[in-house]
Amino acid sequence: TQLLEQSPQFLSIQEGENLTVYCNSSSVFSSLQWYRQEPGEGPVLLVTVVTGGEVKKLKRLTFQFGDARKDSSLHITAAQTGDTGLYLCAGELGGYNKLIFGAGTRLAVHP
Amino acid sequence: NAGVTQTPKFQVLKTGQSMTLQCAQDMNHEYMSWYRQDPGMGLRLIHYSVGAGITDQGEVPNGYNVSRSTTEDFPLRLLSAAPSQTSVYFCASSYVAGAGDEQFFGPGTRLTVL
Repeated sequence: TQLLEQSPQFLSIQEGENLTVYCNSSSVFSSLQWYRQEPGEGPVLLVTVVTGGEVKKLKRLTFQFGDARKDSSLHITAAQTGDTGLYLCAGELGGYNKLIFGAGTRLAVHP
Repeated sequence: NAGVTQTPKFQVLKTGQSMTLQCAQDMNHEYMSWYRQDPGMGLRLIHYSVGAGITDQGEVPNGYNVSRSTTEDFPLRLLSAAPSQTSVYFCASSYVAGAGDEQFFGPGTRLTVL
């Protein structure tokens, strides 16, 4: 059983469309991180959210941390082909930067 | 600044063989960790270290050993490889082990156990 449920697992959209990826858990996290991973490479950090209710924007990407620090979402506006990749959410549980990862959302943006 | 480096990039083992996956970082990071990534399961923490001489178990430690004799290096040892250990292994490091500190991941080692 995944401690951190990420949905959808796959997403195939046209360039210019909007999309939202969700991460949900019954556990409370001290922080929640979003990563993007390209084939054959390690994950690269996009953003960290720490405070319940926090919203962070990174150009066309908007990240939100739930008020109870149990869930998070990633919203991409006007997707581009360069957004194609695997998006991973990871919650810090138990301190020491120990991360629990979601299974990932594989996004394909078509021209 | 090379960041986090891992060797080898690919490895094929037979059941029962042993090997060491190497990980090094040149950023003077205190915290280092090992994850494995399997299809449909995301990354799972194997072992971590909060500084030289200090290691602890993560979510899936069985079958793996680690040591941290220097700040720079954090090798992962498989004493007797099993097919269930076929996976992609990632090493990561961060400056401190604080909440939300950015972790930098290496490029991964793809391991196949026959």
